[in-house]
Amino acid sequence: EAGVVQSPRYKIIEKKQPVAFWCNPISGHNTLYWYLQNLGQGPELLIRYENEEAVDDSQLPKDRFSAERLKGVDSTLKIQPAELGDSAVYLCASSLRGLTGELFFGEGSRLTVL
Amino acid sequence: DAKTTQPNSMESNEEEPVHLPCNHSTISGTDYIHWYRQLPSQGPEYVIHGLTSNVNNRMASLAIAEDRKSSTLILHRATLRDAAVYYCILKETSGSRLTFGEGTQLTVNP
Repeated sequence: EAGVVQSPRYKIIEKKQPVAFWCNPISGHNTLYWYLQNLGQGPELLIRYENEEAVDDSQLPKDRFSAERLKGVDSTLKIQPAELGDSAVYLCASSLRGLTGELFFGEGSRLTVL
Repeated sequence: DAKTTQPNSMESNEEEPVHLPCNHSTISGTDYIHWYRQLPSQGPEYVIHGLTSNVNNRMASLAIAEDRKSSTLILHRATLRDAAVYYCILKETSGSRLTFGEGTQLTVNP
């Protein structure tokens, strides 16, 4: 069974440019998460989807970040415009909605803003 | 979210057992204790979880204190591939977020 797939794996852009990350969750997983991970720290939740509905986006900086999950499957996270402080790893995870809901993570997309 | 406290780092020798502690004194009755680990340049991966009773799986064992205010992840025979950051996380029942702390960096010496 394929795991969570993310692309691109690495992205280098100049500040003020836009960037987008794509995530394909495990087939059948209705819950999808985007996390941000700064160097040396644990992941921080940006947004959580239940199917196509964003049910927890309180940590998403809405002035420059946006996300969508059309048809409740794939998801895209966008940053426009990117700032130097956005350099980090962006992790996507998926899970089955349930009592304990083990999360399956992708390998992440590493963003460097110059 | 209830918080957990873990040592920043621990060391172990290959093929010896490792006990990774976690304190969670403000745990609520509905919080599950989850452990994830993150190998270098990879996303976190699930290790084990429990509520009240001790749990075993192919990767590790989880020992939960009777008052549930602490737990210990046990790797029975550490290998070099077990070198990773280990996160202890409290997770409420269905639908809630998973909030990571800074975890414990485990170093395994050959």
